[in-house]
Amino acid sequence: TQLLEQSPQFLSIQEGENLTVYCNSSSVFSSLQWYRQEPGEGPVLLVTVVTGGEVKKLKRLTFQFGDARKDSSLHITAAQPGDTGLYLCAGRQEYGNKLVFGAGTILRVKS
Amino acid sequence: GAGVSQSPRYKVAKRGQDVALRCDPISGHVSLFWYQQALGQGPEFLTYFQNEAQLDKSGLPSDRFFAERPEGSVSTLKIQRTQQEDSAVYLCASSLGPRAFFEAFFGQGTRLTVV
Repeated sequence: TQLLEQSPQFLSIQEGENLTVYCNSSSVFSSLQWYRQEPGEGPVLLVTVVTGGEVKKLKRLTFQFGDARKDSSLHITAAQPGDTGLYLCAGRQEYGNKLVFGAGTILRVKS
Repeated sequence: GAGVSQSPRYKVAKRGQDVALRCDPISGHVSLFWYQQALGQGPEFLTYFQNEAQLDKSGLPSDRFFAERPEGSVSTLKIQRTQQEDSAVYLCASSLGPRAFFEAFFGQGTRLTVV
């Protein structure tokens, strides 16, 4: 069973559209990280959120950590073909410091 | 070094062969993680080190998998008697420490193919 449920699994949209990726769990995390991964490469860190309710913006990307620190979302405004990739959320467990990943969302932005 | 370095990038092993995968973490990083990633999926946790201590090895799929970090820096993941189901990308990550806000940085991974 996946500790972190990511949705949707796959998203294919046109350039300029907005999208949201969700990451949900019944467990509390001390922090949550979002990564983007391209084929043949390792995941690249986008952001870390630590505080419940925290919102962080990175250009056209907005990340939110749920108040209870059990869920998170990634919103992309005006998607571009360069945003194409596998988006992963990862939560650091409160006890043991293990970093657990969701199954990922494959995003394809068509021009 | 500037980032996490893994070697080799690609490894082809015959079934039954032993393999060793190396990870050089970012200098000074205390925490080190190993993950296994299937194509198009999220990484699955294998094991975690804090310095030289292996604090969590709950994700190792069988006793054929063994990881070590003897001096608290470089780590090696060893797979004995490889099987086809071991084919995957093996990722290593390091972070400054175990605190929540210490971000984990990944290497490029080693793609293992067992034939």
